[in-house]
Amino acid sequence: GESVGLHLPTLSVQEGDNSIINCAYSNSASDYFIWYKQESGKGPQFIIDIRSNMDKRQGQRVTVLLNKTVKHLSLQIAATQPGDSAVYFCAEMDSSYKLIFGSGTRLLVRP
Amino acid sequence: NAGVTQTPKFRVLKTGQSMTLLCAQDMNHEYMYWYRQDPGMGLRLIHYSVGEGTTAKGEVPDGYNVSRLKKQNFLLGLESAAPSQTSVYFCASSPDRGFYENTEAFFGQGTRLTVV
Repeated sequence: GESVGLHLPTLSVQEGDNSIINCAYSNSASDYFIWYKQESGKGPQFIIDIRSNMDKRQGQRVTVLLNKTVKHLSLQIAATQPGDSAVYFCAEMDSSYKLIFGSGTRLLVRP
Repeated sequence: NAGVTQTPKFRVLKTGQSMTLLCAQDMNHEYMYWYRQDPGMGLRLIHYSVGEGTTAKGEVPDGYNVSRLKKQNFLLGLESAAPSQTSVYFCASSPDRGFYENTEAFFGQGTRLTVV
């Protein structure tokens, strides 16, 4: 498959531990944010989103935190599983509907 | 419901050749996007469209053209391919932005293009 994540920052965690992936976004006018997961050879897959009128949103085993003051997003994955190993991207959108991706983090889950 | 379909999945071009990548979505989405992803890198936006008949430049538009003549299709053209355009190309579509509604973008499986 495609060599996704070879040159990206890597986070290595033990199976069962919690993972925290961070992202700094650039556009202060962005008001919609999405986290995507990308496995090798596949297109990005939606995980969770958050709008700028919220600070926190929870999904199944995932939580996204938004700090607009410092333009920072984080994705927390609870009880990380081997199937969570992938590259994770944050993306931002403003009123122009332009969807811009961040640089990504590779998550490795150790058994 | 096929979602987002990209054609072709693989292609090898010689420098200077032209080609068109097709993205088709059957979800009646307003917004469509073309990205390129180089090995070990993130996705960079080439062009996007906010509706039928509209297109706009993204982060890396040079060397590419697009058209959105029909709502369901978004075409990406390379008029004169260069080795620097070797990449994996992803198309995405997204519904209209109701503020309190989920407007996630759905991605195709990618087109791997090699220019020699």
